[in-house]
Amino acid sequence: EIVMTQSPATLSVSPGERATLSCRASQSVSDNLAWYQQKPGQAPRLLIYDASTRASGIPARFSGSGSGTEFTLTISSLQSEDFAVYYCQQYNNWPPWTFGRGTKVEIK
Amino acid sequence: EVQLLESGGGLVQPGGSLRLSCEASGFTFSSYAMSWVRQAPGSGLEWVSGISGSGVTTYYADSVKGRFTISRDNSKNTLYLQMSSLRADDTALYYCAKGQQVVAVEYFDYWGQGTLVTVSS
Repeated sequence: EIVMTQSPATLSVSPGERATLSCRASQSVSDNLAWYQQKPGQAPRLLIYDASTRASGIPARFSGSGSGTEFTLTISSLQSEDFAVYYCQQYNNWPPWTFGRGTKVEIK
Repeated sequence: EVQLLESGGGLVQPGGSLRLSCEASGFTFSSYAMSWVRQAPGSGLEWVSGISGSGVTTYYADSVKGRFTISRDNSKNTLYLQMSSLRADDTALYYCAKGQQVVAVEYFDYWGQGTLVTVSS
């Protein structure tokens, strides 16, 4: 089973600043990685797939990069609606499909 | 518009059974693999089970293998999860999630709002 490790667990950022979230896989997942955003009381929403492709309707301030074992989600200028928990998920080796434990982006 | 509507959750005693349903609309249901993903209170996301578009191929997490059964009725656009021998650590919000191809999910492009399962005496 591929283990996904996200860091940091919590990221404190001021509105308008850049946020950089990391996700590491225990073995290579190529570019078969997705990112999700989850706000309190809501279902997760797909942000990025194939490591760097934005899903439909996702603003350009969200970008993904990386391949192999190291991945990054960058939010270029945080808006109030971006404060949430972000999860990465690999789909290179399955089953199981595995998620990281999440990074909470909170207001500084 | 893709919509996924889960139902069937509730309070059940340890060792009990429950069947979850997910009614899909807005896409050709039989053309896409589907999965169940759960989230324990205050915790992260855990993939539970998946099924191909035809229903022939199924996948399970080790934590539920032998206790849960996933199925689908493509004539009713509905996904199911039959859960038995339930344990306290099965307590979670269960989401239905859609894949992108018929054989297996890669990532999850649409999610329902979830149905809460509580296992407690």
